[in-house]
Amino acid sequence: EAGVVQSPRYKIIEKKQPVAFWCNPISGHNTLYWYLQNLGQGPELLIRYENEEAVDDSQLPKDRFSAERLKGVDSTLKIQPAELGDSAVYLCASSRQGSENNEQFFGPGTRLTVL
Amino acid sequence: AQSVTQLDSHVSVSEGTPVLLRCNYSSSYSPSLFWYVQHPNKGLQLLLKYTSAATLVKGINGFEAEFKKSETSFHLTKPSAHMSDAAEYFCVVSLMFSGGYNKLIFGAGTRLAVHP
Repeated sequence: EAGVVQSPRYKIIEKKQPVAFWCNPISGHNTLYWYLQNLGQGPELLIRYENEEAVDDSQLPKDRFSAERLKGVDSTLKIQPAELGDSAVYLCASSRQGSENNEQFFGPGTRLTVL
Repeated sequence: AQSVTQLDSHVSVSEGTPVLLRCNYSSSYSPSLFWYVQHPNKGLQLLLKYTSAATLVKGINGFEAEFKKSETSFHLTKPSAHMSDAAEYFCVVSLMFSGGYNKLIFGAGTRLAVHP
């Protein structure tokens, strides 16, 4: 079974530029998460989707961040415009509602560097 | 409020010696606790989980953790370290919501180095 797929794996941009990250969850997983992991810290939840509905986006900085999951499968996280402080790893995870403890499976992440 | 504190940011051991990664949690109710491992350029992988069953939990790759309510601790141990154990380890507590959703709260992580 394929795991959570994320692309790109690395992205380097200049500040004020837009950037987008893509995530394809494990097949059959209806819940999708985006996490932000700053250097030397643990991941923090940005947004959670149940199918195509964003049910928890309280930690998403909505002035510059947006996300979508139009068909309830893959998802895109966008930053526009990017700032220096956005340099971090962006992780995507998925889980299947009703599975044991709703275990979350994580992708390898996208490492963003803003210059 | 639920939170976790990983007491060591870095741990260094020699191959073949025991590993101890310390974690204390704060929770207003009986928590679910997890340990995740993150190898460089790879996704987070679940090592083990405690969900109010046996207090000694065995995970993958020879790791285990013991839930001690009196000490609010969930330390991760392994009898004998292997070079491949070098990675970042995260202690995690979950917030339970209705509908079976659990929100994960991660500790800051402990980087384990294993020397020959």
